[in-house]
Amino acid sequence: DAGITQSPRHKVTETGTPVTLRCHQTENHRYMYWYRQDPGHGLRLIHYSYGVKDTDKGEVSDGYSVSRSKTEDFLLTLESATSSQTSVYFCATGGALLANEQFFGPGTRLTVL
Amino acid sequence: GQQVMQIPQYQHVQEGEDFTTYCNSSTTLSNIQWYKQRPGGHPVFLIQLVKSGEVKKQKRLTFQFGEAKKNSSLHITATQTTDVGTYFCAGFTGTASKLTFGTGTRLQVTL
Repeated sequence: DAGITQSPRHKVTETGTPVTLRCHQTENHRYMYWYRQDPGHGLRLIHYSYGVKDTDKGEVSDGYSVSRSKTEDFLLTLESATSSQTSVYFCATGGALLANEQFFGPGTRLTVL
Repeated sequence: GQQVMQIPQYQHVQEGEDFTTYCNSSTTLSNIQWYKQRPGGHPVFLIQLVKSGEVKKQKRLTFQFGEAKKNSSLHITATQTTDVGTYFCAGFTGTASKLTFGTGTRLQVTL
């Protein structure tokens, strides 16, 4: 597996609080992605990045923002967490082309009470 | 927007039986990828298909890409308990420039 770590691995927070999830990769991959996984919905893309400071929205981007100040780090921020954002969040990376295979991190389980 | 559907959602087989999951896209795909996620784990890339009608094999797993490049299938021959997990297809279209994952098929294998 590619060297992808996510932190924290588990988090419980309260509605209305800001939350930041971190993804760190050691593979120097160009593309980085944030997905959420919910029962019955598979994996849905939140945001992705195609280079430092270059990001774009996915299909479920409302309520989320991202930043990528270094190739190896991709941050996902929930500005004001809601219960509907309770989910498992996966970071993934990809190589030189957008259509290349993706490598996934171990995931972060977020619970918003 | 692009939609990728998978059937069945869940299948329970006895070890040694065959298993097939089907993936259908609402739009023509440039390529299709398959991933496996073990319970409690993360998705792991299995294979990518690019050509119309392409068939690829990995040991007991056979992957097909439809002639119209709108559907795909994964067939497992003689399942084993190690095959347990959720199998996702993911389609890429050049126009959407994003990989869209199917809803997944969860496979349970019992002895």
